Amino acid sequence: DQQVKQNSPSLSVQEGRISILNCDYTNSMFDYFLWYKKYPAEGPTFLISISSIKDKNEDGRFTVFLNKSAKHLSLHIVPSQPGDSAVYFCAASVSGGTSYGKLTFGQGTILTVHP
Amino acid sequence: GAVVSQHPSWVICKSGTSVKIECRSLDFQATTMFWYRQFPKQSLMLMATSNEGSKATYEQGVEKDKFLINHASLTLSTLTVTSAHPEDSSFYICSATGTSGRGLGAQYFGPGTRLLVL
Repeated sequence: DQQVKQNSPSLSVQEGRISILNCDYTNSMFDYFLWYKKYPAEGPTFLISISSIKDKNEDGRFTVFLNKSAKHLSLHIVPSQPGDSAVYFCAASVSGGTSYGKLTFGQGTILTVHP
Repeated sequence: GAVVSQHPSWVICKSGTSVKIECRSLDFQATTMFWYRQFPKQSLMLMATSNEGSKATYEQGVEKDKFLINHASLTLSTLTVTSAHPEDSSFYICSATGTSGRGLGAQYFGPGTRLLVL
Protein backbone atom coordinates (compact mmCIF):
# COMPACT_ATOMS: atom_id res chain seq x y z
CA ASP A 1 0.00 0.00 0.00
CA GLN A 2 1.81 3.07 -1.30
CA GLN A 3 0.67 5.88 0.97
CA VAL A 4 2.84 8.48 -0.73
CA LYS A 5 2.96 8.49 -4.51
CA GLN A 6 5.03 10.35 -7.03
CA ASN A 7 3.43 9.36 -10.29
CA SER A 8 6.02 10.92 -12.57
CA PRO A 9 9.18 8.82 -12.57
CA SER A 10 11.07 11.50 -14.47
CA LEU A 11 10.92 15.15 -15.50
CA SER A 12 13.04 17.02 -18.01
CA VAL A 13 13.27 20.81 -17.90
CA GLN A 14 15.26 23.51 -19.66
CA GLU A 15 17.62 25.61 -17.57
CA GLY A 16 15.93 28.78 -16.32
CA ARG A 17 12.45 27.34 -16.56
CA ILE A 18 10.23 26.16 -13.73
CA SER A 19 10.36 22.57 -12.48
CA ILE A 20 7.19 21.27 -10.87
CA LEU A 21 7.36 17.99 -9.00
CA ASN A 22 4.14 16.45 -7.75
CA CYS A 23 3.26 14.18 -4.87
CA ASP A 24 -0.02 12.64 -3.68
CA TYR A 25 -0.80 10.96 -0.41
CA THR A 26 -3.63 8.82 0.87
CA ASN A 27 -3.21 8.83 4.65
CA SER A 28 -5.22 11.71 6.11
CA MET A 29 -3.23 11.44 9.34
CA PHE A 30 -0.13 12.86 7.65
CA ASP A 31 0.37 16.43 8.80
CA TYR A 32 3.99 17.17 7.96
CA PHE A 33 5.56 16.94 4.53
CA LEU A 34 9.13 17.16 3.35
CA TRP A 35 11.06 17.18 0.11
CA TYR A 36 14.48 15.58 -0.18
CA LYS A 37 17.05 15.64 -2.97
CA LYS A 38 19.19 12.60 -3.57
CA TYR A 39 22.20 11.86 -5.72
CA PRO A 40 23.14 8.27 -6.62
CA ALA A 41 24.91 6.36 -3.85
CA GLU A 42 24.28 9.17 -1.37
CA GLY A 43 21.77 9.74 1.38
CA PRO A 44 18.89 12.19 0.87
CA THR A 45 19.45 15.86 1.60
CA PHE A 46 16.62 17.84 3.18
CA LEU A 47 15.28 20.66 0.98
CA ILE A 48 12.09 22.10 2.38
CA SER A 49 9.14 21.13 4.51
CA ILE A 50 5.58 22.23 5.18
CA SER A 51 3.15 21.71 8.00
CA SER A 52 -0.49 20.97 7.29
CA ILE A 53 -1.50 24.26 8.89
CA LYS A 54 0.06 26.04 5.92
CA ASP A 55 -0.58 25.82 2.21
CA LYS A 56 2.69 27.32 1.02
CA ASN A 57 6.29 27.52 2.17
CA GLU A 58 9.06 29.24 0.31
CA ASP A 59 12.84 29.03 0.63
CA GLY A 60 14.84 30.73 -2.08
CA ARG A 61 14.22 29.02 -5.41
CA PHE A 62 12.15 26.29 -3.76
CA THR A 63 8.45 26.58 -2.95
CA VAL A 64 6.23 23.81 -1.66
CA PHE A 65 2.46 23.99 -2.06
CA LEU A 66 0.05 21.85 -0.07
CA ASN A 67 -3.56 21.16 -1.03
CA LYS A 68 -5.00 19.22 1.90
CA SER A 69 -8.42 18.65 0.38
CA ALA A 70 -6.82 17.04 -2.66
CA LYS A 71 -4.09 15.35 -0.58
CA HIS A 72 -1.58 16.77 -2.99
CA LEU A 73 1.66 18.67 -2.67
CA SER A 74 4.08 20.03 -5.19
CA LEU A 75 7.60 21.38 -5.24
CA HIS A 76 8.37 24.30 -7.53
CA ILE A 77 11.95 25.13 -8.45
CA VAL A 78 12.41 28.51 -10.12
CA PRO A 79 14.64 29.06 -11.97
CA SER A 80 15.86 25.52 -12.56
CA GLN A 81 19.61 24.98 -12.77
CA PRO A 82 21.62 22.03 -14.12
CA GLY A 83 22.89 21.40 -10.58
CA ASP A 84 19.31 20.66 -9.56
CA SER A 85 19.43 17.43 -11.57
CA ALA A 86 18.87 14.64 -9.04
CA VAL A 87 16.18 12.37 -7.68
CA TYR A 88 13.56 14.20 -5.63
CA PHE A 89 11.61 12.38 -2.94
CA CYS A 90 8.60 13.67 -1.12
CA ALA A 91 8.02 12.30 2.35
CA ALA A 92 5.18 12.51 4.82
CA SER A 93 4.86 12.04 8.53
CA VAL A 94 2.52 12.21 11.47
CA SER A 95 3.98 14.77 13.82
CA GLY A 96 2.67 13.30 17.06
CA GLY A 97 2.21 10.05 18.91
CA THR A 98 4.23 6.91 18.41
CA SER A 99 4.75 7.64 14.71
CA TYR A 100 6.64 10.84 15.41
CA GLY A 101 9.66 11.16 13.16
CA LYS A 102 8.79 8.23 10.90
CA LEU A 103 8.92 9.25 7.28
CA THR A 104 6.99 7.58 4.49
CA PHE A 105 8.68 8.24 1.16
CA GLY A 106 7.33 8.43 -2.35
CA GLN A 107 9.05 6.55 -5.17
CA GLY A 108 11.03 9.56 -6.31
CA THR A 109 11.13 11.65 -9.49
CA ILE A 110 14.29 11.98 -11.53
CA LEU A 111 14.73 15.63 -12.49
CA THR A 112 17.03 16.49 -15.37
CA VAL A 113 17.72 20.14 -16.08
CA HIS A 114 19.25 20.72 -19.50
CA PRO A 115 21.62 23.66 -20.09
CA GLY B 1 25.63 21.59 9.46
CA ALA B 2 24.79 18.25 11.02
CA VAL B 3 26.75 15.31 9.64
CA VAL B 4 25.87 11.65 9.72
CA SER B 5 28.39 9.06 8.60
CA GLN B 6 28.02 5.40 7.75
CA HIS B 7 30.63 2.69 7.65
CA PRO B 8 31.34 0.83 5.53
CA SER B 9 30.18 2.59 2.39
CA TRP B 10 29.99 -0.73 0.59
CA VAL B 11 30.45 -4.35 1.51
CA ILE B 12 30.48 -7.64 -0.37
CA CYS B 13 30.00 -10.80 1.65
CA LYS B 14 29.28 -14.47 1.22
CA SER B 15 25.84 -15.86 1.85
CA GLY B 16 25.41 -16.93 5.48
CA THR B 17 27.76 -14.39 7.00
CA SER B 18 26.78 -11.44 9.18
CA VAL B 19 27.46 -7.83 8.32
CA LYS B 20 27.54 -4.88 10.70
CA ILE B 21 26.84 -1.33 9.50
CA GLU B 22 27.61 1.65 11.69
CA CYS B 23 25.77 4.96 11.72
CA ARG B 24 27.34 7.88 13.56
CA SER B 25 26.20 11.42 14.19
CA LEU B 26 29.44 13.38 14.07
CA ASP B 27 28.53 16.78 15.44
CA PHE B 28 25.27 16.36 17.30
CA GLN B 29 23.59 13.99 19.72
CA ALA B 30 21.06 11.76 18.03
CA THR B 31 18.27 10.72 20.33
CA THR B 32 16.58 8.79 17.55
CA MET B 33 18.03 7.01 14.55
CA PHE B 34 16.13 5.43 11.70
CA TRP B 35 17.23 2.65 9.36
CA TYR B 36 15.96 2.53 5.79
CA ARG B 37 16.47 0.17 2.89
CA GLN B 38 16.26 1.10 -0.77
CA PHE B 39 16.04 -1.44 -3.57
CA PRO B 40 16.95 -0.35 -7.10
CA LYS B 41 14.47 2.09 -8.59
CA GLN B 42 12.32 1.94 -5.50
CA SER B 43 11.60 4.26 -2.62
CA LEU B 44 13.28 4.32 0.76
CA MET B 45 11.49 1.91 3.07
CA LEU B 46 11.69 2.44 6.81
CA MET B 47 12.93 -0.69 8.55
CA ALA B 48 13.16 0.35 12.17
CA THR B 49 13.35 3.20 14.64
CA SER B 50 16.10 3.19 17.19
CA ASN B 51 16.09 5.21 20.40
CA GLU B 52 19.23 5.49 22.49
CA GLY B 53 19.22 3.06 25.36
CA SER B 54 16.09 1.19 24.38
CA LYS B 55 15.03 -1.58 22.03
CA ALA B 56 14.42 -0.73 18.41
CA THR B 57 10.91 -0.62 17.00
CA TYR B 58 10.59 -2.56 13.76
CA GLU B 59 8.19 -1.90 10.91
CA GLN B 60 5.75 -4.56 9.86
CA GLY B 61 7.40 -7.26 7.80
CA VAL B 62 10.94 -6.57 9.03
CA GLU B 63 12.47 -9.49 10.92
CA LYS B 64 13.98 -8.20 14.15
CA ASP B 65 16.07 -11.34 14.62
CA LYS B 66 17.61 -10.90 11.20
CA PHE B 67 18.24 -7.16 11.39
CA LEU B 68 19.73 -6.50 14.80
CA ILE B 69 19.83 -2.87 15.81
CA ASN B 70 21.80 -1.44 18.70
CA HIS B 71 21.75 2.21 19.75
CA ALA B 72 24.16 2.20 22.65
CA SER B 73 25.08 5.86 22.66
CA LEU B 74 23.76 9.21 21.46
CA THR B 75 26.16 9.16 18.53
CA LEU B 76 26.18 5.55 17.36
CA SER B 77 23.66 3.04 16.09
CA THR B 78 24.54 -0.25 14.43
CA LEU B 79 22.58 -2.49 12.11
CA THR B 80 23.70 -6.10 11.85
CA VAL B 81 22.36 -8.19 9.01
CA THR B 82 22.62 -11.73 10.35
CA SER B 83 23.03 -14.75 8.09
CA ALA B 84 22.85 -12.55 5.03
CA HIS B 85 21.35 -13.93 1.82
CA PRO B 86 21.39 -12.56 -1.73
CA GLU B 87 17.89 -11.11 -1.29
CA ASP B 88 19.30 -8.89 1.48
CA SER B 89 21.44 -7.11 -1.08
CA SER B 90 20.32 -3.51 -0.98
CA PHE B 91 21.25 0.07 -0.15
CA TYR B 92 20.93 0.67 3.59
CA ILE B 93 20.62 4.26 4.80
CA CYS B 94 20.42 5.59 8.33
CA SER B 95 19.12 8.92 9.50
CA ALA B 96 19.36 10.69 12.81
CA THR B 97 17.39 13.36 14.55
CA GLY B 98 19.09 15.82 16.82
CA THR B 99 17.88 17.87 19.71
CA SER B 100 18.07 21.18 17.92
CA GLY B 101 14.34 21.71 17.99
CA ARG B 102 14.04 22.13 14.25
CA GLY B 103 11.55 19.34 14.22
CA LEU B 104 11.33 16.78 11.48
CA GLY B 105 13.43 18.91 9.18
CA ALA B 106 16.35 18.00 11.40
CA GLN B 107 16.40 14.38 10.24
CA TYR B 108 19.86 14.05 8.71
CA PHE B 109 20.72 11.14 6.47
CA GLY B 110 23.94 9.21 6.18
CA PRO B 111 25.53 8.49 2.80
CA GLY B 112 24.28 4.90 2.75
CA THR B 113 25.90 1.47 2.66
CA ARG B 114 25.70 -0.73 -0.42
CA LEU B 115 25.48 -4.40 0.58
CA LEU B 116 26.02 -7.17 -1.96
CA VAL B 117 25.56 -10.74 -0.78
CA LEU B 118 26.98 -13.38 -3.08
